[in-house]
Amino acid sequence: GESVGLHLPTLSVQEGDNSIINCAYSNSASDYFIWYKQESGKGPQFIIDIRSNMDKRQGQRVTVLLNKTVKHLSLQIAATQPGDSAVYFCAENLYGNKLVFGAGTILRVKS
Amino acid sequence: DAGVTQSPTHLIKTRGQHVTLRCSPISGHKSVSWYQQVLGQGPQFIFQYYEKEERGRGNFPDRFSARQFPNYSSELNVNALLLGDSALYLCASSRGLATYQETQYFGPGTRLLVL
Repeated sequence: GESVGLHLPTLSVQEGDNSIINCAYSNSASDYFIWYKQESGKGPQFIIDIRSNMDKRQGQRVTVLLNKTVKHLSLQIAATQPGDSAVYFCAENLYGNKLVFGAGTILRVKS
Repeated sequence: DAGVTQSPTHLIKTRGQHVTLRCSPISGHKSVSWYQQVLGQGPQFIFQYYEKEERGRGNFPDRFSARQFPNYSSELNVNALLLGDSALYLCASSRGLATYQETQYFGPGTRLLVL
């Protein structure tokens, strides 16, 4: 079936700490994954993506890890800031641009 | 460059009415997709259009329809509105149709409330 799920619905971290948001996907044929950040009242904002031929990809303060063996995806945010507070979605790209999203993880950053 | 734009930002309708939502993609993008996001959930795929043709459809009833214009803008139409259609409707654009690795950029959405 098509489903992408998240393990933790809410994650609270202290400002300056690192955050790790996890995601499980079910379609072993998926070959492209994206993390989006959605702030209240806004549309999802692209953060970082990764192709299935990679295990790790780094951006500015963010790292995505892909474990195809267990169909698991994670987003690591370094030195989490208050502006990182949002809902984070992982999505897998199916059938030429159809995105399947998980339910989302709320990240709360405590100052 | 402007990002994906959507109109209107908010809309209130009553059951049984019809609604039309509009989307303008990022300049140079030829593919537009529509998603429905119910409060507390992730977006659900409704349609994808590329070069004015429907290229994908999600599990939504025939009350939902869409089209894409020569300038690549798009409209989403929903007939016979139900209370359950209340949601944030998101439009996303990408450069073109590909088997994968086409980053989709989202607009701010249209918040629809059906009373």
